[in-house]
Parts: sequence; structure tokens; C-alpha cells
Amino acid sequence: EPEVTQTPSHQVTQMGQEVILRCVPISNHLYFYWYRQILGQKVEFLVSFYNNEISEKSEIFDDQFSVERPDGSNFTLKIRSTKLEDSAMYFCASSEGQQYGYTFGSGTRLTVV
Amino acid sequence: GQQLNQSPQSMFIQEGEDVSMNCTSSSIFNTWLWYKQDPGEGPVLLIALYKAGELTSNGRLTAQFGITRKDSFLNISASIPSDVGIYFCAGTYSGNTPLVFGKGTRLSVIA
Repeated sequence: EPEVTQTPSHQVTQMGQEVILRCVPISNHLYFYWYRQILGQKVEFLVSFYNNEISEKSEIFDDQFSVERPDGSNFTLKIRSTKLEDSAMYFCASSEGQQYGYTFGSGTRLTVV
Repeated sequence: GQQLNQSPQSMFIQEGEDVSMNCTSSSIFNTWLWYKQDPGEGPVLLIALYKAGELTSNGRLTAQFGITRKDSFLNISASIPSDVGIYFCAGTYSGNTPLVFGKGTRLSVIA
């Protein structure tokens, strides 16, 4: 079964530092997403990416966040200057189309101290 | 943004019992999905529904896309301990919008 792979599984960073979360989506999928889940809360949409550009972003996805597909397989989320409230699980997902079920990775647990 | 109301928030049931949870939206949705999340893992797709009135099963799980397009339910029959986890409904209200999630139903199964 194809899967979405995320690295690292855990990341601890100091407030103000930059972090890059990495994802390898399913190879024939065209849409890529980042979601986050603060502990005990619901899964929240951050950004969707299609055809090498952002197609939609939420109000959470401010100027501190950016996404990139640096090559044909990786999809990254960068947080420029982390804040304590950025601590959460970050999930990457991919899909064949936005109206189809998304496949999620296992997530990166980001802890900002 | 779009809000999904998912209920109940949590459930404690005996092994072997049936479970039902549901989700409602104030807007018409074109796709309803049900995911399960185990601790420390990402959501795993259980059932996808694409047509109003559609009733789909996946083993002991059955989900329906409501006729009004504003609701969906998930039933689990004869629950077992490995059904424990958080169940999320999710949906899109057009083909160009990303998936939005409900707040989840935390299911506990007592052996």
C-alpha cells in the first residue's frame, strides 16, 4: 500500500529557530497538503499545493510559514521563526484530487521550547 | 471557515456493542470521509462517500452520506478493543476546497 512518509518523527527546537518538516507524498498524487493538530484538538488545515504553487491556505498559514517542492518527490514545510504555540503534530497528506480521500503521513511532532 | 459538528465527543462502550456517531454541517458537502486516528499516528481513511444517499460498508463499519448533503453517520458493529481511537469526520464542500475536519469522537471499548 503506497504511503506518505514524513521526517523527522519528532523535532524539538528553540523558540525563534527555523524548522523544516519534510514529506514524501505518494508518487502519482497531484495535490499535497499540510495540516496540524495541537494536542487533543482537531486536525486543522494549513495549506494545499498543486501544480507547484499554493492553491489555498488558512489564516494559520501566515508569513512565518512557507512550502516548497524542491524536487520531484519531496514536499517541505518551513517555519521561519518558531513560537511556543507552533508546538503541534504536523501532518502531510496527498491525494489524486481534492475531492478524493487524502492519505496522511504519520506526522512530525514539533515541540518548541 | 466551514465548521463540522461531530457528536458525541466521547463514548465508552462494552466490547461487542454497536456504536454510532455523526457529523453535521451548515453547508452542503460534496464529499464525506471518515478517518480513524490512533495515538501518535496520522488519520487513516476508513470510508469515503461521494454521493448523497450513498451507504458504504468496510467490514464492521458502515457510513452514509445524508440525503440533505449536510450530514453523515458512521456505525461500528460488534466493537472490539482495537476499535479504540479517535474517529474524525471530514468533508469538502466543493471540488476546489480542502478537507475540513470535525473535532473527533474518542471511542473507548471496555473488554
